[in-house]
Amino acid sequence: NAGVTQTPKFQVLKTGQSMTLQCAQDMNHNSMYWYRQDPGMGLRLIYYSASEGTTDKGEVPNGYNVSRLNKREFSLRLESAAPSQTSVYFCASGDYRYEQYFGPGTRLTVT
Amino acid sequence: AQSVTQPDIHITVSEGASLELRCNYSYGATPYLFWYVQSPGQGLQLLLKYFSGDTLVQGIKGFEAEFKRSQSSFNLRKPSVHWSDAAEYFCAVGGLSFGAGTTVTVRA
Repeated sequence: NAGVTQTPKFQVLKTGQSMTLQCAQDMNHNSMYWYRQDPGMGLRLIYYSASEGTTDKGEVPNGYNVSRLNKREFSLRLESAAPSQTSVYFCASGDYRYEQYFGPGTRLTVT
Repeated sequence: AQSVTQPDIHITVSEGASLELRCNYSYGATPYLFWYVQSPGQGLQLLLKYFSGDTLVQGIKGFEAEFKRSQSSFNLRKPSVHWSDAAEYFCAVGGLSFGAGTTVTVRA
């Protein structure tokens, strides 16, 4: 039972490049979430998916897109990376009253 | 709008001493409340949660938290800290709003 897995662990992009962050969970959760973590700002919700086939914007969705590929997988795409998107990205999953289980994170640097 | 405030950015505590981390929130009703812990380079792990009922809740690693409706607070406590408790702690309200975090340093 791996819980929530994220790939890659580290990534360096140049401004304007695109990439997709992958997330998968094996806990049969309906809900999945993408957050970014920046120093002094805690975690901010980018997008979430309450169930397979649905996605909703969170607090900071601009510059990102998501795909809920199936119940297990929820990907986050940066179409044209900007330095302001340098951050640590966390995926989480959960079901009951927003109790969440987090992945190990992806550290992204945009130069 | 929901908001979560963790007033202490950084706390230093001696090993064996007690620890209290503060969390205040603004929310329209009694929210779901959570504390998470993040060790360096790791994801967040759920310490404890409050949904309803008894306002004193017990969590993992010897932590407890008390919900005080009148003060809109959900403070985290541990009677005796261990060096392994050095980490960053996040309060979350309503599930999706997180505080900025409190970093705990434990000195020998």
